Amino acid sequence: DTAVSQTPKYLVTQMGNDKSIKCEQNLGHDTMYWYKQDSKKFLKIMFSYNNKELIINETVPNRFSPKSPDKAHLNLHINSLELGDSAVYFCASSQAFPGELFFGEGSRLTVL
Amino acid sequence: GQNIDQPTEMTATEGAIVQINCTYQTSGFNGLFWYQQHAGEAPTFLSYNVLDGLEEKGRFSSFLSRSKGYSYLLLKELQMKDSASYLCAVTDSNYQLIWGAGTKLIIKP
Repeated sequence: DTAVSQTPKYLVTQMGNDKSIKCEQNLGHDTMYWYKQDSKKFLKIMFSYNNKELIINETVPNRFSPKSPDKAHLNLHINSLELGDSAVYFCASSQAFPGELFFGEGSRLTVL
Repeated sequence: GQNIDQPTEMTATEGAIVQINCTYQTSGFNGLFWYQQHAGEAPTFLSYNVLDGLEEKGRFSSFLSRSKGYSYLLLKELQMKDSASYLCAVTDSNYQLIWGAGTKLIIKP
């Protein structure tokens, strides 16, 4: 049973397109996150939700919009994709905030 | 500003011991995490230190000195599968997690 699952695992798209990445966790955790890991391997927090409420909203372009329909799901929608958006996006969850993070497998986004 | 420093890359021999250091300067401190990340995979939790001292977990140990803003991860009896990046992350006074860039550990036979 996958604890944190995200889809798709790979995404190749053209500049200007809109795309979504979905994330689901079956751990019963209250807090979920989106992280971006660029080519230099830095992990940067983008958003965090606790019980469907946004609690962290870092300085990311407003082309990125998270949506949490319930506490087990946190989706990421990206409008008007740019070359610089190419990265691996990790979804994660934790029992507490902050706490041990359980990561999804990552979604590798390539913008051409 | 806040930052986490760790060496970019280290090399060690199978069966040996290696120590990966992490120094941090953050606004407040509420715990330090170590994660392991194999190439192309997600990070996985290794350890959490919030009090000074050594936490041992099998072949891996993590040490913390809050007064020095310093931690290390000690890996014993190195195995080839330990080749990975090791990420240090600190929780600051606002409970935000600040990440280091990671140390790539290469294990040679």
